[in-house]
Amino acid sequence: NAGVTQTPKFQVLKTGQSMTLQCAQDMNHEYMSWYRQDPGMGLRLIHYSVGAGITDQGEVPNGYNVSRSTTEDFPLRLLSAAPSQTSVYFCASGQTDSGNTIYFGEGSWLTVV
Amino acid sequence: GENVEQHPSTLSVQEGDSAVIKCTYSDSASNYFPWYKQELGKGPQLIIDIRSNVGEKKDQRIAVTLNKTAKHFSLHITETQPEDSAVYFCAASNPPDMRFGAGTRLTVKP
Repeated sequence: NAGVTQTPKFQVLKTGQSMTLQCAQDMNHEYMSWYRQDPGMGLRLIHYSVGAGITDQGEVPNGYNVSRSTTEDFPLRLLSAAPSQTSVYFCASGQTDSGNTIYFGEGSWLTVV
Repeated sequence: GENVEQHPSTLSVQEGDSAVIKCTYSDSASNYFPWYKQELGKGPQLIIDIRSNVGEKKDQRIAVTLNKTAKHFSLHITETQPEDSAVYFCAASNPPDMRFGAGTRLTVKP
């Protein structure tokens, strides 16, 4: 049972480049989300989805796009990377009928230079 | 939206002592309050959670209390061990939204 899988683990981007962080879960969870973690600021919600075809913004959505074409996958796209997007990104998933218990992936470390 | 405050930001205790971390939240509609432990280089791991219809929950050395009237909840770790050293996050959820506190770095000195 792989749980929540994120790729890549580490990435360095130049300012203005685009990239996609991949997230996949094999637990048939309806709910998936992306958080970013910065020192002293905890985990901040970027975007979330409650099912295929449904996405919504969190507290820090600017500069990021998401889509949910399947239950398993929830990619996060950076269209034009900025140094302010240097962070650790965590994907999470859960069943919405279990009180929103969510389980995290291992993280993706992104540096924008 | 929901705002979660967490204190203290760092906490150092001697092995065997107790540790208490406190959180407050702003949205009275929040009804689910999990706690996560994050070790260096890893993703957060759920350690205990509590729902709004319960005031206290225990799991071995870990307990969580919730005061819905005051909008605060706390994590209590008894008989701390060096392996409890990590960053702990509280969260408050009005599903499907979940917001986290800034984290507490707990250090347990042997």
